[in-house]
Amino acid sequence: DGGITQSPKYLFRKEGQNVTLSCEQNLNHDAMYWYRQDPGQGLRLIYYSQIVNDFQKGDIAEGYSVSREKKESFPLTVTSAQKNPTAFYLCASSRKGDGGYEQYFGPGTRLTVT
Amino acid sequence: AQTVTQSQPEMSVQEAETVTLSCTYDTSESDYYLFWYKQPPSRQMILVIRQEAYKQQNATENRFSVNFQKAAKSFSLKISDSQLGDAAMYFCAYRSLDNYGQNFVFGPGTRLSVLP
Repeated sequence: DGGITQSPKYLFRKEGQNVTLSCEQNLNHDAMYWYRQDPGQGLRLIYYSQIVNDFQKGDIAEGYSVSREKKESFPLTVTSAQKNPTAFYLCASSRKGDGGYEQYFGPGTRLTVT
Repeated sequence: AQTVTQSQPEMSVQEAETVTLSCTYDTSESDYYLFWYKQPPSRQMILVIRQEAYKQQNATENRFSVNFQKAAKSFSLKISDSQLGDAAMYFCAYRSLDNYGQNFVFGPGTRLSVLP
């Protein structure tokens, strides 16, 4: 079955440590996205990528980094520079172009930093 | 930049009744797409319905339908015969055709409770 996987579902880290969240898709989508969701809030865009080896900052990129070495993979690193990293992180992908394609979402990773 | 507003943070509906969730957006574009996503307690985002701005006809998917008013920049979601499984956060989303269609904007969400 095609879809998006994110691992792990729950992640715990100590303050000051970098942590990498995994996102893999087998939908053959060109575009991939990372969102952050805080309790009771909407989705805020962290980074997105339209093609391998290229990505752009979203609205809240500070303290985060990404890579896109393969079409299927778009890992997100939460660095120690991120002031409030505890949140729910969603990865999404979509076809590129003007066809009105929707975003497909992974199940999310809940990150807790203490 | 486009913005999406959902003015109802929370709503409730009796099982089997009908409820309408509001969404307004701001854009200077003439062509775009609009979506409603559902996020149940599992937090998995699920597409509910999609509307193309160039289509006057309102989209319908089983018990879900929209009222798309392009001039008013309004895109409300109507859920008929509400079921307990409809309880979720609902997000309205706008997709621009600029930048190869990569610009998605989400509203803040409406939490829907379904009362038995």
